[in-house]
Amino acid sequence: QKEVEQDPGPLSVPEGAIVSLNCTYSNSAFQYFMWYRQYSRKGPELLMYTYSSGNKEDGRFTAQVDKSSKYISLFIRDSQPSDSATYLCAMDTGRRALTFGSGTRLQVQP
Amino acid sequence: EAGVTQSPTHLIKTRGQQATLRCSPISGHTSVYWYQQALGLGLQFLLWYDEGEERNRGNFPPRFSGRQFPNYSSELNVNALELEDSALYLCASSLVPGAQGETQYFGPGTRLLVL
Repeated sequence: QKEVEQDPGPLSVPEGAIVSLNCTYSNSAFQYFMWYRQYSRKGPELLMYTYSSGNKEDGRFTAQVDKSSKYISLFIRDSQPSDSATYLCAMDTGRRALTFGSGTRLQVQP
Repeated sequence: EAGVTQSPTHLIKTRGQQATLRCSPISGHTSVYWYQQALGLGLQFLLWYDEGEERNRGNFPPRFSGRQFPNYSSELNVNALELEDSALYLCASSLVPGAQGETQYFGPGTRLLVL
């Protein structure tokens, strides 16, 4: 079993939709949670960073962490075609070795 | 502010050869990380360097090695290349040494193809 599970998609939504992306994990030592966006043939770009359970909002993006359920989510409001990319969740125990999910490919249709 | 830079962008080698990949961190960042993104395996942690020292290592064989220079740039060396080493190699950097959970910023990667 992988430490971090993420549905690979692809997920196709119409422009303006709310997108929900999720990851589950098994290692209770994970303390830091991140979401990265990766466009084709580019490096991952940090979107959101959270520590401990709770919500964090930044513009159209909201990250949620539920440590009791070992479940994290990223919500994208008013999705745009430019949001079409692969979204990667990542987690860290504090040893700086990020553990990534396999990534969810998102396609926002105009 | 310039981001993390990596060179070369593409590298083609044959089995058994050695590959050298280079990374320059964001100005002011002292920690450098290396990751491998291979098809079907996702992003996997390789190495973490800080202040010239190797601080953590992922589950990779010793033929994957590297170093960090006094200017905080870094080099990843892969010896005795195997076909399965074909992947995108990503470098990341972070700002504060020793701070847990410090966020990592990635470069564009070097795509290595082993024939």
